[in-house]
Amino acid sequence: EAEVAQSPRYKITEKSQAVAFWCDPISGHATLYWYRQILGQGPELLVQFQDESVVDDSQLPKDRFSAERLKGVDSTLKIQPAELGDSAMYLCASSSSTWGTGPFYEQYFGPGTRLTVT
Amino acid sequence: SQQGEEDPQALSIQEGENATMNCSYKTSINNLQWYRQNSGRGLVHLILIRSNEREKHSGRLRVTLDTSKKSSSLLITASRAADTASYFCATSRGGFKTIFGAGTRLFVKA
Repeated sequence: EAEVAQSPRYKITEKSQAVAFWCDPISGHATLYWYRQILGQGPELLVQFQDESVVDDSQLPKDRFSAERLKGVDSTLKIQPAELGDSAMYLCASSSSTWGTGPFYEQYFGPGTRLTVT
Repeated sequence: SQQGEEDPQALSIQEGENATMNCSYKTSINNLQWYRQNSGRGLVHLILIRSNEREKHSGRLRVTLDTSKKSSSLLITASRAADTASYFCATSRGGFKTIFGAGTRLFVKA
């Protein structure tokens, strides 16, 4: 069964350092999502891609976070510099939905990257 | 802010009992989904119900949607210890941005 891959699974970094997370969605899924989940809360959308284009990054702290999906396949989320408040689970998901058109399909989530900033 | 709000925040039941979780949301939606998350893991999609549907079943799961009350419920029948997890409702509107609630933590005692 196809799965969404994420790496690393765990990351510990000191504040002010740079960190990067990688996601490989299910093959053929045009839509890719990055979420942040703080312990005890639901996932919060950071950025949504349709192929290589960003269609929603309204909740992405753009002064320190960046995301790219250069070839419309895998994606990288970067934080620079990391702050203590960035400690959370970072989840990647993919879907065969096409932004704004056609039927909506469910999202498939990867295992997540647990980030701890010290 | 999150659109969906689950109720209760936490639920503890005995194996074999039914578990009911509720979700309320604020604005019009295209569809509503329920996901499960085991501790420290990614989310798993359980069921999707569209705005023109009122009820859906999948195995031991039953979901209802009342768009006039902006609410949904998830019923898990004959619960098992393996059902212990957090359950989230998520709503989507135009453009397919998905907004998750804070979740209900279900604990099923064997």
